[in-house]
Amino acid sequence: DAKTTQPPSMDCAEGRAANLPCNHSTISGNEYVYWYRQIHSQGPQYIIHGLKNNETNEMASLIITEDRKSSTLILPHATLRDTAVYYCIVRAPYNQGGKLIFGQGTELSVKP
Amino acid sequence: DGGITQSPKYLFRKEGQNVTLSCEQNLNHDAMYWYRQDPGQGLRLIYYSQIVNDFQKGDIAEGYSVSREKKESFPLTVTSAQKNPTAFYLCASSPAGGNYGYTFGSGTRLTVV
Repeated sequence: DAKTTQPPSMDCAEGRAANLPCNHSTISGNEYVYWYRQIHSQGPQYIIHGLKNNETNEMASLIITEDRKSSTLILPHATLRDTAVYYCIVRAPYNQGGKLIFGQGTELSVKP
Repeated sequence: DGGITQSPKYLFRKEGQNVTLSCEQNLNHDAMYWYRQDPGQGLRLIYYSQIVNDFQKGDIAEGYSVSREKKESFPLTVTSAQKNPTAFYLCASSPAGGNYGYTFGSGTRLTVV
């Protein structure tokens, strides 16, 4: 079973920041948080991942709470092309299988 | 360019027939994975392999089989034992060790009539 909980849907105005929350209260100390997104009928696209420190790349920022029980993905200036389903995933270390177990995700709609 | 290729994009089969979905990667990744996605649902893991000639069952392996004879290839066979085979199938790969993201293929949409 997925170890994460996300809201099923969110809206965001174009040009504004999109903040997508995720709860992972049962996360273990050596498990990473990954974020992927999927545009309809395509393969999921990797966005970002982190262990306990906040992370930023060219696509997004990842904020992980100090107790690691929740995180937030931030798309700083959302565009219409960011409309997709966003998945928050807790991944076990590779030597323990390294599997990505997907939940239901959050369907983000960016509106003009 | 390196990537992961799934073929065909669309596949139609009659009920009761086995069908094999192709997945090839030229990323030199050690691990490969197969997922199934039903409409409006997240991805569910079918099988995965971290090394040639070895693979493990995922959450929904019943009615499916795989092989990993080459590092580059991880074909999935949907057998007649799979009760609801119509779905979107996604293949992914990742490097060994560390914490690397998966690279996904573009998927195969299988319809059984």
